[in-house]
Amino acid sequence: KQEVTQIPAALSVPEGENLVLNCSFTDSAIYNLQWFRQDPGKGLTSLLLIQSSQREQTSGRLNASLDKSSGRSTLYIAASQPGDSATYLCAVYPPNQAGTALIFGKGTTLSVSS
Amino acid sequence: EAGVAQSPRYKIIEKRQSVAFWCNPISGHATLYWYQQILGQGPKLLIQFQNNGVVDDSQLPKDRFSAERLKGVDSTLKIQPAKLEDSAVYLCASSLDRRWDRGKAFFGQGTRLTVV
Repeated sequence: KQEVTQIPAALSVPEGENLVLNCSFTDSAIYNLQWFRQDPGKGLTSLLLIQSSQREQTSGRLNASLDKSSGRSTLYIAASQPGDSATYLCAVYPPNQAGTALIFGKGTTLSVSS
Repeated sequence: EAGVAQSPRYKIIEKRQSVAFWCNPISGHATLYWYQQILGQGPKLLIQFQNNGVVDDSQLPKDRFSAERLKGVDSTLKIQPAKLEDSAVYLCASSLDRRWDRGKAFFGQGTRLTVV
């Protein structure tokens, strides 16, 4: 059974700092991996989708990498801002033939102070 | 392109009352998912539909939760009777198909349920 773990559970940093969020998964047979942002009590905002054939994706100050063989992904946030404060969720897509739903980690709650 | 629509956005009910949530997926999306996200946890799948058939409802508490997707489009998730531990954000998502090579999942804005 696939399990997704995110470390750390919470992180507090001063504005301007670069930071890394970690996601690990127990079964390397995934199709894609997606990072989401969630503000308190709200829905999910998609940040980056890394397809199985890719190693990384970039969008603005965000960079996500994927190493399927080791079961790891990282989300790098450069020059953090108070507006980046939110919970960041990692989700894995099961193998194509499984036909099953995304599996999520518990998230990392980020607080950026000004 | 219109996204996944959910309503209501917020709901407060007393325990033992009933509540229903509605989801309208992206047009043409055959697969629809309902997730429950308790505070401090990641979203957990409750039920997955393919058109109007159930693919996976293994984590749906069937003694109090029910869901339907009549005509393979809109879906309704119901809780009857609600318990305090049902307080959560309920997320609806849809995808073109169960095969991920046909496209990714899209999520709605969620319904925040508070049971008092």
